[in-house]
Amino acid sequence: DIQMTQSPSSVSASVGDRVTITCRASQGISSWLAWYQQKPGKAPKLLIYAASSLQSGVPSRFSGSGSGTDFTLTISSLQPEDFATYYCQQANSFPHTFGQGTKLEIK
Amino acid sequence: EVQLVESGGGLVKPGGSLRLSCAASGFTFSSYSMNWVRQAPGKGLEWVSSISSSSSYIYYADSVKGRFTISRDNAKNSLYLQMNSLRAEDTAVYYCARVRSSSAFDYWGQGTLVTVSS
Repeated sequence: DIQMTQSPSSVSASVGDRVTITCRASQGISSWLAWYQQKPGKAPKLLIYAASSLQSGVPSRFSGSGSGTDFTLTISSLQPEDFATYYCQQANSFPHTFGQGTKLEIK
Repeated sequence: EVQLVESGGGLVKPGGSLRLSCAASGFTFSSYSMNWVRQAPGKGLEWVSSISSSSSYIYYADSVKGRFTISRDNAKNSLYLQMNSLRAEDTAVYYCARVRSSSAFDYWGQGTLVTVSS
């Protein structure tokens, strides 16, 4: 199975900051990577698919990059509604494993 | 508007069974692969199972293989998860999710809570 490792596990930041979250796959997954945002008590929301494609309706301050084993999610200027937990997920092969999550907290 | 609504969760004793349903609307259900994803209390997301649009391809996480069965009824726009031999570690919110073309999950239900406890 492919293991997905996110870093950091948690990060504190302020409104307006630029934040980058990293996701590393235990083996190459080409661009079969998605990023999700989850707020407490809510279902996850798709942000980025195919490593760098922005899902419809998602603000352009979110961006994704990478291929192979190393990927990043960047939020260019944090807004109050962005404080949440973020997950990466590989879709290269089954099981479609998720990273452990990165909790983005207000500083 | 795409909607996915799960139902069937509840409290069940260890070793018991439960059948979850996911009612889909607002899109051509028969054209999309579907998945179940779960989240234990305070934990991260865990992919559980996947079924292709015509049920030709089915996959399970090792943690549920042999105990859970995914199925769908395209005539009823519904996805199911039959859960047998339930264990305490199966306690979680179970989400159904639609797969878009890149294999990402673009729509999710609100989740249904399954609690396995004596």
